[in-house]
Amino acid sequence: NAGVTQTPKFRVLKTGQSMTLLCAQDMNHEYMYWYRQDPGMGLRLIHYSVGEGTTAKGEVPDGYNVSRLKKQNFLLGLESAAPSQTSVYFCASSSPGQGSDTQYFGPGTRLTVL
Amino acid sequence: GENVEQHPSTLSVQEGDSAVIKCTYSDSASNYFPWYKQELGKRPQLIIDIRSNVGEKKDQRIAVTLNKTAKHFSLHITETQPEDSAVYFCAATPMDSSYKLIFGSGTRLLVRP
Repeated sequence: NAGVTQTPKFRVLKTGQSMTLLCAQDMNHEYMYWYRQDPGMGLRLIHYSVGEGTTAKGEVPDGYNVSRLKKQNFLLGLESAAPSQTSVYFCASSSPGQGSDTQYFGPGTRLTVL
Repeated sequence: GENVEQHPSTLSVQEGDSAVIKCTYSDSASNYFPWYKQELGKRPQLIIDIRSNVGEKKDQRIAVTLNKTAKHFSLHITETQPEDSAVYFCAATPMDSSYKLIFGSGTRLLVRP
């Protein structure tokens, strides 16, 4: 099992450009999450999904959109990137229905917006 | 909403000594408190967790204690080793969901050989 994977690992954007980050998990988890990690601020939840076709806002959703068309994939989109979105983005998944609240994280995507 | 505060932000200990990291939370209805370890350039990984119906949990050299009345919980690492050097994050679940996590700001632990 690959666990949680993220694509790409690194990306540099110019202000105003758009991009999509892909998260995939092969653990049959129902729930998936997108976080951003900034120095001194821990991990902050952007959006999350409790099942295929459903998404919800987290703590810091502005400027981002998400889609969960397939159970194993969770996409994070930036329509018009801003320098304030320079961060490391982590995807995670969990399956409370299987009796565990553990969130499993992907390796992260380092995004720089110039 | 839930707010989690974590202290200290940095901690330096001598190898073999103990390390303690403390977190406080605001939502008295929170019931799940995990701790994650993140090595440099790596993903966060769960090291231990505790639920609100338990006061203490141990796993070899690490332990977590929970004081529901005071709304704080702590991570204890005994006999620290250089490989314990990492950033540690506490987290708590907000009242409106048992699967969302609100993270503390992290503690950078350095174990000096």
